[in-house]
Amino acid sequence: QSALTQAASLSGSPGQSITISCTGTSSDIGSYNYVSWYQQYPGKAPTLMIFDVSDRPPGVSNRFSGSKSGNTASLTISGLQAEDEADYYCSSYTTNRLPHVIFGGGTKLTVL
Amino acid sequence: EVHLVESGGGLVEPGGSLRLSCAASGFTFSSYSIIWVRQAPGKGLEWVSSISGFSTYIYYADSVKGRFTVSRDNAENSLWLQMGSLRVEDTAVYYCARDRGATYVLDYWGQGVLVTVSS
Repeated sequence: QSALTQAASLSGSPGQSITISCTGTSSDIGSYNYVSWYQQYPGKAPTLMIFDVSDRPPGVSNRFSGSKSGNTASLTISGLQAEDEADYYCSSYTTNRLPHVIFGGGTKLTVL
Repeated sequence: EVHLVESGGGLVEPGGSLRLSCAASGFTFSSYSIIWVRQAPGKGLEWVSSISGFSTYIYYADSVKGRFTVSRDNAENSLWLQMGSLRVEDTAVYYCARDRGATYVLDYWGQGVLVTVSS
């Protein structure tokens, strides 16, 4: 199954807000509210930032928020900080042929 | 504190086999599905396999089906990924991750282990 679609790269200045979009299909994002977002620094394991479209795990800054409309999910980071520079991956639960998770291709966020 | 630690990676020739381990601690291991995810160098994340708490449900990505086998021992809080007929394209960092609630929300990840398939 094809990956979810994300922009390869985005950039923003400190203090700005940016939104990363993640487009899927009616078989994944469009059918389930099980969209997650992960942050990954180079050489490190991914870290869960958002789950179930818009919920934040304990310890994740409220500058991170998620939403969904139709087949597209979004991650918004407000008050951009230097430490937000990382790769971001979306994922969605899907039962297309079998239950599994499908990931986006990742977005490299640069803080200018 | 939840911990997942992978081991067993390394260099293997095409067609060879390798067994990865994932040791868990800090939670009731049998209550959670564990997922294997891999990341090829410079690439994105790819789901590889899933195993439910009591091994009732086991799933594989098409790219590894028939070549990889996942198993777990809840008494040992351990999980394994037996990889066979390895291909160059299996080269990746392999992560084990805990599924928070059977909806593939991966709330804890291991540090990853590198598997390199090359002659």
